[in-house]
Amino acid sequence: QSALTQPPSASGSLGQSVTISCTGTSGDVGGYNYVSWYQQHAGKAPKLMIYEVTKRPSGVPDRFSGSKSGNTASLTVSGLQAEDEADYYCSSFAGSNNYVFGTGTKVTVL
Amino acid sequence: EVQLVESGGGLVQPGRSLRLSCTASGFTFGDYALSWFRQAPGRGLEWLGLIRSKTYGGTAEYAASVKGTFIISRDDSRSIAYLQMNSLKTDDTAVYYCTREDRLAFDYWGQGTLVTVSS
Repeated sequence: QSALTQPPSASGSLGQSVTISCTGTSGDVGGYNYVSWYQQHAGKAPKLMIYEVTKRPSGVPDRFSGSKSGNTASLTVSGLQAEDEADYYCSSFAGSNNYVFGTGTKVTVL
Repeated sequence: EVQLVESGGGLVQPGRSLRLSCTASGFTFGDYALSWFRQAPGRGLEWLGLIRSKTYGGTAEYAASVKGTFIISRDDSRSIAYLQMNSLKTDDTAVYYCTREDRLAFDYWGQGTLVTVSS
């Protein structure tokens, strides 16, 4: 199973928006509405930010939103704040009780 | 409060085995599937496998990269999940995380335990 493709880096100014893409195949992202996104600050454990493509767990700010079109999912962070600077990983269910993760994107807040 | 605490990491020689534990609290452990992940230094997250709840058979699934060498098990009476790692290689050096699975996402993560494979 190949990793999902994410851009290595993305950036935006304070208060602006940034969108991260996550490209897979019809066997994972395109085939299931089970895409999730994780935020990881340096030296910390990942944190679930989005599940089932668009849903936010309790406590996650509504500045974080998810979407999907075909084999590509996206995470948008609106109204960027300093604490949003982190690595972000997408994940997709890939059938047969398998999961595949993205290559990760480092978000920098300018 | 949901908590997952990994333990058992450390320095191990290539070819040896190591068993990691994941002790859970704050939720009904037996109702959930648990997954294990790892993250090599400076690298991304890699899903290693999962173990289902007894309701769904209590069986395990593995990523192709570790199938046959890693074994996941669980003890619901003690709220602990295990990752048995055999025939370790230097490439297995990583921080290992356990997670709770809910709705095909990983909603709670432990703090991780570092495994270093080196002679």
